[in-house]
Amino acid sequence: DQQVKQNSPSLSVQEGRISILNCDYTNSMFDYFLWYKKYPAEGPTFLISISSIKDKNEDGRFTVFLNKSAKHLSLHIVPSQPGDSAVYFCAAKWGAQKLVFGQGTRLTINP
Amino acid sequence: DAGVIQSPRHEVTEMGQEVTLRCKPISGHDYLFWYRQTMMRGLELLIYFNNNVPIDDSGMPEDRFSAKMPNASFSTLKIQPSEPRDSAVYFCASSFLAGVGRETQYFGPGTRLLVL
Repeated sequence: DQQVKQNSPSLSVQEGRISILNCDYTNSMFDYFLWYKKYPAEGPTFLISISSIKDKNEDGRFTVFLNKSAKHLSLHIVPSQPGDSAVYFCAAKWGAQKLVFGQGTRLTINP
Repeated sequence: DAGVIQSPRHEVTEMGQEVTLRCKPISGHDYLFWYRQTMMRGLELLIYFNNNVPIDDSGMPEDRFSAKMPNASFSTLKIQPSEPRDSAVYFCASSFLAGVGRETQYFGPGTRLLVL
């Protein structure tokens, strides 16, 4: 039972363009959502988060959008840079500390 | 701060052997998590501790898996006996409750386990 789903295993984007990574969830109790970034041979690192009371959170080149009615969130990276090439994990939680992660999307930024 | 420390970084063992993975969380963090990453299932939470006490072990796949946290600076995940399907990358993470909506988990580099 996958409560958090990232349906695109991979995404390829031209440098300088916008990267859009998508995530869907099924549990309406989730109240906090996060994106993590992972490079090969390293652990995931926190990127950006959003509370369920908001619909947008921006941090530099990264913006996360939340559509609660559709149970959908997305991460926008503008402009995309070669260093953004990594695996991106969407995660969600409710109440306690427990995070539920998606399967990840491998983003490749082409020069 | 050195971050979350995991050892070993790589482990190759034969089916049936006991495997012990180790984790040192960030000092001052009161939550510790063990995750497993596979291609098929992504990142799965196995178990987590709060103040050294196991809170939720519902993700532990079966009795062959056990985890302990004898003190605030050390935790182990043990697999006995190991099976080829246990091959995965195992991550340890830690966090502290800074306030609602501000919890961020910090991950270690992972242990890549291969069971032959």
